[in-house]
Amino acid sequence: DAMVIQNPRYQVTQFGKPVTLSCSQTLNHNVMYWYQQKSSQAPKLLFHYYDKDFNNEADTPDNFQSRRPNTSFCFLDIRSPGLGDAAMYLCATSRDLEAPQHFGDGTRLSIL
Amino acid sequence: AQTVTQSQPEMSVQEAETVTLSCTYDTSENNYYLFWYKQPPSRQMILVIRQEAYKQQNATENRFSVNFQKAAKSFSLKISDSQLGDTAMYFCAFIPPQGAQKLVFGQGTRLTINP
Repeated sequence: DAMVIQNPRYQVTQFGKPVTLSCSQTLNHNVMYWYQQKSSQAPKLLFHYYDKDFNNEADTPDNFQSRRPNTSFCFLDIRSPGLGDAAMYLCATSRDLEAPQHFGDGTRLSIL
Repeated sequence: AQTVTQSQPEMSVQEAETVTLSCTYDTSENNYYLFWYKQPPSRQMILVIRQEAYKQQNATENRFSVNFQKAAKSFSLKISDSQLGDTAMYFCAFIPPQGAQKLVFGQGTRLTINP
């Protein structure tokens, strides 16, 4: 089945130690998104790629970066994680900007 | 700026009952898209139903239907014959055509279906 796959499901890192979360898709969608979701809150968009075009949200901290080496993969890099970065990180894809988004299972990030 | 408001943080009903989740939004756009997403505990967020603003007919998907009132900017979700598997966070979301390129979520409603 076509899907959005996030790895790992759970990630633990140390305060200040860089971490990378990955997302892959078999849907061949043009758009890939990264969201941060804290407990009992709505997802907060960090950035998205439309093909190779990167679009950063104005309030996304500089600590968060993203890479999309090809259509299928997208990575979220957190350069120096702080305690406040502990959250669920959701990857989503869509055929275009108006189409429904398909979400992965998420990666739950813990900071020690 | 577009905003989405879900006024019910939590709801609880008995299995087989009908439940309606409310959602209002604010926009100056005439054409846009509205969605309801379901996020079960520790599971993937999935699309429940979608409504295009230019369509007058309310969208339905099996037990799920919406009451779309464009003039009132209201987009409620009705779940008929509720099942235990319907227990989840439900998010109402809005996206304008092109332009802002951003899905705007409401705060969510935590729905619990009791046996």
